[in-house]
Parts: sequence; structure tokens; C-alpha cells
Amino acid sequence: EPEVTQTPSHQVTQMGQEVILRCVPISNHLYFYWYRQILGQKVEFLVSFYNNEISEKSEIFDDQFSVERPDGSNFTLKIRSTKLEDSAMYFCASRSYREGGGYTFGSGTRLTVV
Amino acid sequence: KNQVEQSPQSLIILEGKNCTLQCNYTVSPFSNLRWYKQDTGRGPVSLTIMTFSENTKSNGRYTATLDADTKQSSLHITASQLSDSASYICVVRGNTGGFKTIFGAGTRLFVKA
Repeated sequence: EPEVTQTPSHQVTQMGQEVILRCVPISNHLYFYWYRQILGQKVEFLVSFYNNEISEKSEIFDDQFSVERPDGSNFTLKIRSTKLEDSAMYFCASRSYREGGGYTFGSGTRLTVV
Repeated sequence: KNQVEQSPQSLIILEGKNCTLQCNYTVSPFSNLRWYKQDTGRGPVSLTIMTFSENTKSNGRYTATLDADTKQSSLHITASQLSDSASYICVVRGNTGGFKTIFGAGTRLFVKA
């Protein structure tokens, strides 16, 4: 069954450093998403991406965050200057063109900012 | 305000028993509702997707119901197994010019032998 692949599975970084989280969505999907989940809290929407541009973003997704689809397969989330409160699980998801199509989530990257 | 409320917050049942999880939402206009299972430290996995015209949908031992009039959904798990221990998340997608997706906080289910 097709999977969304995320790397690395765990990233530890120092406060103020830049991190790039990587995702390979399902190949025929057209919509891509990043979510985060702080330990013990609910999943929160960060950003959606379609047709090579951001289609929607939440208030969490400020100027420190950016997304990119550098080639036909990868989808990345960059945090420019990490803060302690950025520590969370970051999930990438993708969806086919059909509105009723379910999201397929990756296994997540656990980001720890120290 | 668009919200998704789930109950109970957590639930402990014995292996083999049935259980029902609840989801109430205020998202409007409504597009669809999904139930996900999330194992600890893993990404959510889709169980069911329901649109406003669907009342019941099953996926193996999981049966979801939807009442679009009262804005309520339930997830019924039959003959629970130890591997059902996980968080079950209700996610509602609204059709408000941006297709807002709202996650519930989840119900943490513990199945004991």
C-alpha cells in the first residue's frame, strides 16, 4: 500500500538553528499538508500546498516557517530559527484530487529543540 | 466557532468488549467527517470517511455513524482487541471557502486483557 515517507524520524536541534523536515508524499497525490502535534495535545494544522503554492495556512505558520516542493517527489518544511516551543511531532500528509479522498499521514518527525 | 468535541477523553475496556466513542461538531457548512486511529508516536491512520448523505459506514470491526442534523458522530468498536489500544481522532472538514479541517482532541482507548 502506498505510504507517505518522512525523514528523519527524530531530529534534535539547538534553539536558533534552522531545520528542514522532509516528506515524500504518495506519487499521484496532488494536495500536501503539514501538521504538528505537541506532546499530549491535539493535532494542529500548519499549512496546505497545491499546484506549487500554499493554499492555506494557520496562524501557527508564521514567517519562521516555509514549505517547498523542490522536485517532483519531495515536500519540505523549514523552520528558520527554532524555538523551544517548536518541539513537537510534525506530520506530513497527502491527498488525492478527490475531495472525499482521505488523507494519508506519514509516521512523523519528532523534533526536539534544546 | 468551528469546534470538534470528543468524549470520553479516555476509556478502559476489557478485551472482547464493545465500545462507542462520541464526536460532536459545530463545523458548518459541513463537508465530511473522518475517524482516525493514532498509535502512540505514529501518524493517524484513516478508518472511515463520511459525507453528509451517509448515516453508517463500516470498516471491519469499526462502524461509524453520522447524524448531520444533530451534528453528531459515533465510532463503535466491536469485539475489541489489545491492538485497538490507541487514540481515536474525529476530524471534520468544513466547506467555508478554504475547507477548514478541524481535529478533535481524541479519545484515548485502553484495551486490557
